[in-house]
Amino acid sequence: GIQVEQSPPDLILQEGANSTLRCNFSDSVNNLQWFHQNPWGQLINLFYIPSGTKQNGRLSATTVATERYSLLYISSSQTTDSGVYFCAVKNSGGSNYKLTFGKGTLLTVNP
Amino acid sequence: NAGVTQTPKFQVLKTGQSMTLQCAQDMNHNSMYWYRQDPGMGLRLIYYSASEGTTDKGEVPNGYNVSRLNKREFSLRLESAAPSQTSVYFCASGQVEGTEAFFGQGTRLTVV
Repeated sequence: GIQVEQSPPDLILQEGANSTLRCNFSDSVNNLQWFHQNPWGQLINLFYIPSGTKQNGRLSATTVATERYSLLYISSSQTTDSGVYFCAVKNSGGSNYKLTFGKGTLLTVNP
Repeated sequence: NAGVTQTPKFQVLKTGQSMTLQCAQDMNHNSMYWYRQDPGMGLRLIYYSASEGTTDKGEVPNGYNVSRLNKREFSLRLESAAPSQTSVYFCASGQVEGTEAFFGQGTRLTVV
């Protein structure tokens, strides 16, 4: 099946800093989502971005499907940004019902 | 606008007991999913239902059964719980053709 690798696995920032999280995938996709899992365990939808670029406030994401990667940018980070960020994809070849997750990036933003 | 609702939020079981995790969505989605999350493993797919009346195994189906009761509801059953099934379980729903999926708040299950 499709493989999803996220980097870095852990990231520690000071409040106000910027960061870039990366998601590499091993096959063509027709769905790519970024999620934020907050300290209470909730999975929050950030972006649905199988290709192109989107922005939502301090967060933006870019997916280059032909090169099989996606980037999540966090600018002017805040302590509330802390948590785990997951990338998840659906393979456009074969069954397109399975959303496969990477292992996540644990982000800690210190005041 | 409830989205995806899971019950219960927390549960402790003894080894060998059975239970059913309930999931309901109000977004008129065709597809529904059950995942488990374990430390360092990300989320792994247990079972999914592409549409009402169909179910298929995911990566880690052993020890579980599912029922797609209707378009709104998708339940996950543990017939004889084992400590290895201690995990956080998430239900999700989405449309069929590669569109955005939404997750419930999770069920934290401990098997002792």
